[in-house]
Amino acid sequence: AQTVTQSQPEMSVQEAETVTLSCTYDTSESDYYLFWYKQPPSRQMILVIRQEAYKQQNATENRFSVNFQKAAKSFSLKISDSQLGDAAMYFCAFSTFSGSRLTFGEGTQLTVNP
Amino acid sequence: ETGVTQSPTHLIKTRGQQVTLRCSSQSGHNTVSWYQQALGQGPQFIFQYYREEENGRGNFPPRFSGLQFPNYSSELNVNALELDDSALYLCASSLHAVPYGYTFGSGTRLTVV
Repeated sequence: AQTVTQSQPEMSVQEAETVTLSCTYDTSESDYYLFWYKQPPSRQMILVIRQEAYKQQNATENRFSVNFQKAAKSFSLKISDSQLGDAAMYFCAFSTFSGSRLTFGEGTQLTVNP
Repeated sequence: ETGVTQSPTHLIKTRGQQVTLRCSSQSGHNTVSWYQQALGQGPQFIFQYYREEENGRGNFPPRFSGLQFPNYSSELNVNALELDDSALYLCASSLHAVPYGYTFGSGTRLTVV
């Protein structure tokens, strides 16, 4: 069974600064996907970024980038130039390559201070 | 293109009762997955339906059951409600049974008293 751990229940950042959210996972699979999802107060899960384990290059989406360390089973999310609209709960998630279910971590509540 | 719609948004039930939650998938999507998110926790996979057949189930008892209709909308039924069933129930649709390309709904908040 796979597990996903987010060790930071809460994080805060000043507007326009950079913050990094941590995630570790455990799996015996060699091919898998990793995701970061954002859940604002509207409750709808929104995909922030996706990483395929077979890709060595770290994924980037505008101000969001990841640091994927496969050997260490670590998958952190960096948010640059933080904006007030980035405030939300962030979840790290895992899926096997052939599977279709997501395994989520416990989440990190991000506060952005003006 | 419409997104995923869940109904109702909130409801309160009494322990022992039965409840049905509904989900309309995004246009063109043929797969629906259901997740339970207890307060302060991450979502947990309940089950998935692909082309009207159950395609995987998480660690939930049989009193959690589901259905997918020919138009790919879906229902989640929970019998004999327990207090611990109080949670946000999220529905996500996708094109084919793959782990990416999910569109999530805004959930149904169920409170069992």
